[in-house]
Amino acid sequence: DAGVIQSPRHEVTEMGQEVTLRCKPISGHDYLFWYRQTMMRGLELLIYFNNNVPIDDSGMPEDRFSAKMPNASFSTLKIQPSEPRDSAVYFCASNGTPNTGELFFGEGSRLTVL
Amino acid sequence: AQSVAQPEDQVNVAEGNPLTVKCTYSVSGNPYLFWYVQYPNRGLQFLLKYITGDNLVKGSYGFEAEFNKSQTSFHLKKPSALVSDSALYFCAVRAYSGAGSYQLTFGKGTKLSVIP
Repeated sequence: DAGVIQSPRHEVTEMGQEVTLRCKPISGHDYLFWYRQTMMRGLELLIYFNNNVPIDDSGMPEDRFSAKMPNASFSTLKIQPSEPRDSAVYFCASNGTPNTGELFFGEGSRLTVL
Repeated sequence: AQSVAQPEDQVNVAEGNPLTVKCTYSVSGNPYLFWYVQYPNRGLQFLLKYITGDNLVKGSYGFEAEFNKSQTSFHLKKPSALVSDSALYFCAVRAYSGAGSYQLTFGKGTKLSVIP
């Protein structure tokens, strides 16, 4: 298996632009997580899905952030409009059932908002 | 609410010496504990986990961790450090988040530097 695949690996955009990050989980995994990593705040869970359904989105910073999982093999995290404080590395991770906590992470998408 | 503390931002150790990366936790009920490693510009990789049973857990790359319930600790150890062990290490605890689901809470991370 190719592992969790994220795109783009790097994104540089200007404040106010829309940003879409993409994730393909490992086939057969029914949990998908979006994390954000910054130096100041460490790793933060933004949202997670089970069987394509959002279970907990309490970590989503504000309404500018939205996430979808239209099918078992694809998820998006969208920021609209983007702001410089959104600059971070965004990780997608997946896990199968039972959810024992052993997550498989993608390589991350490094976002820079100018 | 669950939490994880990694009291050291950075640990320096000489190659060949034993290493310890500290972690303490707070969670309701029995803890599920994890260590992950992150190399530069990479995603996190699972190292080992404690769910139940023997308090000494062995994992990848020669790492092990000791669960201590009375001290609520789960320190990561390795008998002999390698330069290639230099990375960022995260401790995590799994906790129930409602509706039959669980999530991981991560510590801030500890940067391990192994000096040749």
